[in-house]
Formats: sequence, structure tokens, C-alpha cells
Amino acid sequence: DVKVTQSSRYLVKRTGEKVFLECVQDMDHENMFWYRQDPGLGLRLIYFSYDVKMKEKGDIPEGYSVSREKKERFSLILESASTNQTSMYLCASRVSGHLNTGELFFGEGSRLTVL
Amino acid sequence: DQQVKQNSPSLSVQEGRISILNCDYTNSMFDYFLWYKKYPAEGPTFLISISSIKDKNEDGRFTVFLNKSAKHLSLHIVPSQPGDSAVYFCAASSYNFNKFYFGSGTKLNVKP
Repeated sequence: DVKVTQSSRYLVKRTGEKVFLECVQDMDHENMFWYRQDPGLGLRLIYFSYDVKMKEKGDIPEGYSVSREKKERFSLILESASTNQTSMYLCASRVSGHLNTGELFFGEGSRLTVL
Repeated sequence: DQQVKQNSPSLSVQEGRISILNCDYTNSMFDYFLWYKKYPAEGPTFLISISSIKDKNEDGRFTVFLNKSAKHLSLHIVPSQPGDSAVYFCAASSYNFNKFYFGSGTKLNVKP
């Protein structure tokens, strides 16, 4: 079974703090994604990565950056956390190429509260 | 503007009856659609998908119907079970799967 592990289930941070959300997958997937989930808005794509050191902006990248130094790990960084970044953050991965069925495998989520 | 919409935030159904969850999309370039199920405190899990070359796909109790002309898809669960109680998200993508667009979700409650 594919396992996508997010390092922190719950975090509480203060405005202006730098926040790191870590995600690790164990299935050698090339593609990895960061979404945030907010009530009434569904899942919105923040950033995605096709491969190591490659990244592309999603629909709401403002206030976020990412890092993908190793294939299995994709980190989301909030340089200076703000209260409007309070949300549930979901990491996902999927295989690419001819094996790609479109299916995303999600982690359990990291609920971030910014005070 | 949301390209994928689920207009019913919640749905309540009696156990054993049919659950019908609906989803509308606006982008005619979408040609692959998926449904995900999410329990509280867990990540979404893939449920069923359909490509635009089909109008129906079945997997056990779950059937997805696609009406391309109406830009509408629906998920039917028959018979509904209490364990189906969860939030259901529909998602759409173009064939290259580069980006998925998710609806806002429908919370299904199946009453025993």
C-alpha cells in the first residue's frame, strides 16, 4: 500500500513565524502535491512537483514556497505565517508516465492554526 | 471562480436506500473525473473514476454517471450503508492529469 506521511497532524503557530510542513511518500512516485482544504472551498492546489528539484505553482501559491531535494520528500514552507493560512494542509503523490491513472494518494493532513 | 461545483453541502439518506451525489463543472477541456471519500481526521481516498469517453462506470455499490453535454456527473451508492457516511469530493482534470480541480465536497450521512 502507498503510504504518504505528513510529519505533524496538528500545529499551532504565531503570526510571523516560519512554518515547515513535511511530507514523505514511500512508493517512489515522481509527482507530489500540496493542497489546502477549507470549508466551502474544497481542496485548492498550492504547489506541485513533477520530480526532484522541480516545482510549479498551483492556484494559490502566494505566501508559500516548497522544497523537493529528494524524490520521497516534499516540504511546504510558510515564510511568515498569517492568520488566513489557518487551514488543513494535505499532501498527495501519484505515479507519472504510462502508469498514471490520475489517482492521487493523500496523507492524513496537517491542521495548522495561526494565532 | 470554481470550475468544479458541488452545490449540496450535505445529504442525509436512510440505510439501504440510494445516495446520489452531484457535481457540475464548467471547463469543457476536462476529460477525466474522480470521486474521493474523506473521513474525519483522515486524508481523502480514491473511490471511483470515469473518463470522458464513457458515460458510466461501476464498481460494486458505486456507479458514476457522466453527462458531458450538461457538464454534470453524479455518484450513486446503492445500497447505502452507515460506513459510507463521509465527505465526498469530485475532482476533474484534463487527460494529462497535470492539475486536478476539486469541488467543495458533500457530507453524506447514512442513518441506520
